[in-house]
Amino acid sequence: AQSVTQLGSHVSVSEGALVLLRCNYSSSVPPYLFWYVQYPNQGLQLLLKYTSAATLVKGINGFEAEFKKSETSFHLTKPSAHMSDAAEYFCASYSSGGSYIPTFGRGTSLIVHP
Amino acid sequence: DGGITQSPKYLFRKEGQNVTLSCEQNLNHDAMYWYRQDPGQGLRLIYYSQIVNDFQKGDIAEGYSVSREKKESFPLTVTSAQKNPTAFYLCASTNTGGSSPLHFGNGTRLTVT
Repeated sequence: AQSVTQLGSHVSVSEGALVLLRCNYSSSVPPYLFWYVQYPNQGLQLLLKYTSAATLVKGINGFEAEFKKSETSFHLTKPSAHMSDAAEYFCASYSSGGSYIPTFGRGTSLIVHP
Repeated sequence: DGGITQSPKYLFRKEGQNVTLSCEQNLNHDAMYWYRQDPGQGLRLIYYSQIVNDFQKGDIAEGYSVSREKKESFPLTVTSAQKNPTAFYLCASTNTGGSSPLHFGNGTRLTVT
């Protein structure tokens, strides 16, 4: 069975600092991986996705993520945090060739201090 | 613009009443999903449907029912059998095949008192 683990339910950074949100997956076949962002009382929006075309994936709002097969990781980074980045972030995966039911991590709340 | 519409945004009901949450998409997606979100618990799958007139239970289907009579519509009924219905409900859709991400509606916040 697939699983997605997000380390840290809360991450706190200062404005301008590096953002690093961690995601590890387990899958017996090459996965598709996604990062979503959720602002309060809204649905999830896609930030970026990995589909095996390139290991470094660039997304919206300056975010990027790197797929590392050896570490089974897909961490999300942004060089400089902005106040508007404060939100909940979810990592998700599903296996290629499998059912279309994504497995979500439990989410990481990003707090940005001025 | 294509998208997913959930209505209403906020819903209040008395305990013991059934309530139906609407979800409509004009993205021509085959698959649709209902998730429940509670603080600190991430997203939990209630039901999903990958084709019209067919749907499957997710991880927490007890106390819920759905229908998929049309490709664009996937309403969720929260029945009186659901012991703790107060939550934020999210509908999503996607194309089956390939690496399509889920597209989400803006959610319905249900409060039952």
